[in-house]
Amino acid sequence: AQSVTQLDSQVPVFEEAPVELRCNYSSSVSVYLFWYVQYPNQGLQLLLKYLSGSTLVKGINGFEAEFNKSQTSFHLRKPSVHISDTAEYFCAVSDNLSGNTGKLIFGQGTTLQVKP
Amino acid sequence: GAGVSQSPRYKVAKRGQDVALRCDPISGHVSLFWYQQALGQGPEFLTYFQNEAQLDKSGLPSDRFFAERPEGSVSTLKIQRTQQEDSAVYLCASTAAKGAYEQYFGPGTRLTVT
Repeated sequence: AQSVTQLDSQVPVFEEAPVELRCNYSSSVSVYLFWYVQYPNQGLQLLLKYLSGSTLVKGINGFEAEFNKSQTSFHLRKPSVHISDTAEYFCAVSDNLSGNTGKLIFGQGTTLQVKP
Repeated sequence: GAGVSQSPRYKVAKRGQDVALRCDPISGHVSLFWYQQALGQGPEFLTYFQNEAQLDKSGLPSDRFFAERPEGSVSTLKIQRTQQEDSAVYLCASTAAKGAYEQYFGPGTRLTVT
């Protein structure tokens, strides 16, 4: 079974400052990793995903994440945030076993609050 | 609209009532997922369809929860005899193919049981 821990429930940051949202996972098998963003009253939107290859993954809206297998982490970063980045961010995993349906196991979420 | 749609967006039910939540996936998408998101929590998997076949229902919390996708497109999640703990946002997602790893989510249905 897999599990995901997002280490910060809320991250306040000033506009144009850098930000890192932390995610650690636990799994007995190899996994795929994802970050989703949820704006108020909207569904989840995929920011980026790691399936294989380069451990540094670039996504939409200037976000990137680095897969660290030894530390079982997949932290999300952005060098300069905007007010519009204020939202809830979810880290998720899916095992990559043959026959897997692709169902996602989510963390608890991190609220990013960007202040002017 | 090319996205996943869900209806109703908001539903208030009295405890003990039955409710039906609808999901219209992206046209042609093979796989469909339902998730439950309690307030302040991440989404939790409920069930999975590949076309009309329900291949995984391991996340359904009780036998009061039932999902169907009879023609392999629209899906309905039904909750019988609703309880207060059923209050949550119910999210639907679809993917183009089995094992495709980009899930497209609908806006969700917020269910409040009073």
